[in-house]
Amino acid sequence: QSVLTQPPSVSGAPGQRVTISCTGSSSNIGAGYGVHWYQQVPGTAPRLLIYDNTNRPSGVPDRFSGSKSGTSATLAITGLQAEDEADYYCQSFDGSLSVEIFGGGTKLTVL
Amino acid sequence: QVQLQESGPGLLKASQTLSLTCAVSGGSIISGRYSWGWIRQPRGKALEWIGHIYGSDNAFSNPSLETRVTILVDRLKNDFSLKLYTVTAADTAVYFCARVSGGPYNGHFDSWGQGHEVIVSS
Repeated sequence: QSVLTQPPSVSGAPGQRVTISCTGSSSNIGAGYGVHWYQQVPGTAPRLLIYDNTNRPSGVPDRFSGSKSGTSATLAITGLQAEDEADYYCQSFDGSLSVEIFGGGTKLTVL
Repeated sequence: QVQLQESGPGLLKASQTLSLTCAVSGGSIISGRYSWGWIRQPRGKALEWIGHIYGSDNAFSNPSLETRVTILVDRLKNDFSLKLYTVTAADTAVYFCARVSGGPYNGHFDSWGQGHEVIVSS
């Protein structure tokens, strides 16, 4: 069981907006540590989508955005496209465990 | 554009030592701006951080694996390595190497190798 909790799956139709939550605790997200988000198409390496809660690396479309509040973070995807179908992972640091932590992953299905 | 490539054996027997190398091209591994890390993923499961190294000799690793992990940098070859001792079937996974920015703590993995599957047989 992951320290960061994500919904196992979400879905949406093309063009819609979906959100993926990442819930932690006072020793990780709530302690002020940054949250990063990755996209992974099965069989390939993860790709960084969002770093330090809200920042997009160059090359990532602005359809992807991140936010953080309290002990949780959220990845939002607008204008959903078929190519967005993948697994999404959040990552942060836990100060009590001294470990980089990943969420359990969320499978996004584009209907 | 930095590129990373893992290499090493794909099949091990239980109790052996897993040794993987990550070759870095397109940038110097000793630039000082980055850390270099390892992450693994059992088939169908989530990512798990193994550890990473910053500078040439400051390594830290997942407490759940700490006693079995060694991560080293080879400046001359511009690569870094992972050794995982006394493997079991539970260590069967795809192993990724990655560059870490914004670290050493709470950094983000901004460039990844393609992944290397390791199977441990009993």
